Amino acid sequence: DAGVTQSPTHLIKTRGQQVTLRCSPKSGHDTVSWYQQALGQGPQFIFQYYEEEERQRGNFPDRFSGHQYPNYSSELNVNALLLGDSALYLCASSLQGAGNTIYFGEGSWLTVV
Amino acid sequence: GNSVTQMEGPVTLSEEAFLTINCTYTATGYPSLFWYVQYPGEGLQLLLKATKADDKGSNKGFEATYRKETTSFHLEKGSVQVSDSAVYFCALILNSGGSNYKLTFGKGTLLTVNP
Repeated sequence: DAGVTQSPTHLIKTRGQQVTLRCSPKSGHDTVSWYQQALGQGPQFIFQYYEEEERQRGNFPDRFSGHQYPNYSSELNVNALLLGDSALYLCASSLQGAGNTIYFGEGSWLTVV
Repeated sequence: GNSVTQMEGPVTLSEEAFLTINCTYTATGYPSLFWYVQYPGEGLQLLLKATKADDKGSNKGFEATYRKETTSFHLEKGSVQVSDSAVYFCALILNSGGSNYKLTFGKGTLLTVNP
């Protein structure tokens, strides 16, 4: 049973460019969340998708957007990249509902130069 | 708002030493509490959890007890191993309306265990 898988593992982008990160949730999970983890910090919640809709959003600008597909996979898009967007981006999946365990992928390392 | 404060690191111990990593929280409501571990170059793994007051979560020799009166969830292990070297994150989640919302994390504590 595959866990949460993310791609790409590492990437380097230039300021002003756009990036798309991809996530496949753990089998059977219907809810996907994205987190940003800056170096030396704890993960910060970006947003959560369920039933192909954004259900909850953290304190991130509109440059950060996402999508969830009918097969529950998800994308995170970041436009107009800034140096400060350099971070580890973590995808997490779970079943919708209280008390269900949240599983994380290994993340996508984004470096903006 | 909700927040998690955990012991600043780094923490360096010798093998077989006793470990405590302190964690306190602030939440509007009754959260579920978690410890996640991040090994070098990897994502987050759930270590243990507790969903209500006085619950004790345990896994791989680690334990933490949900203390509502002190709003704490300290992580302990009686005898650490070199393989426990990692970053440990305390986190909470408020489950509202039957939905999973966001995990709020502390800043993490780097643990290094020397042989």
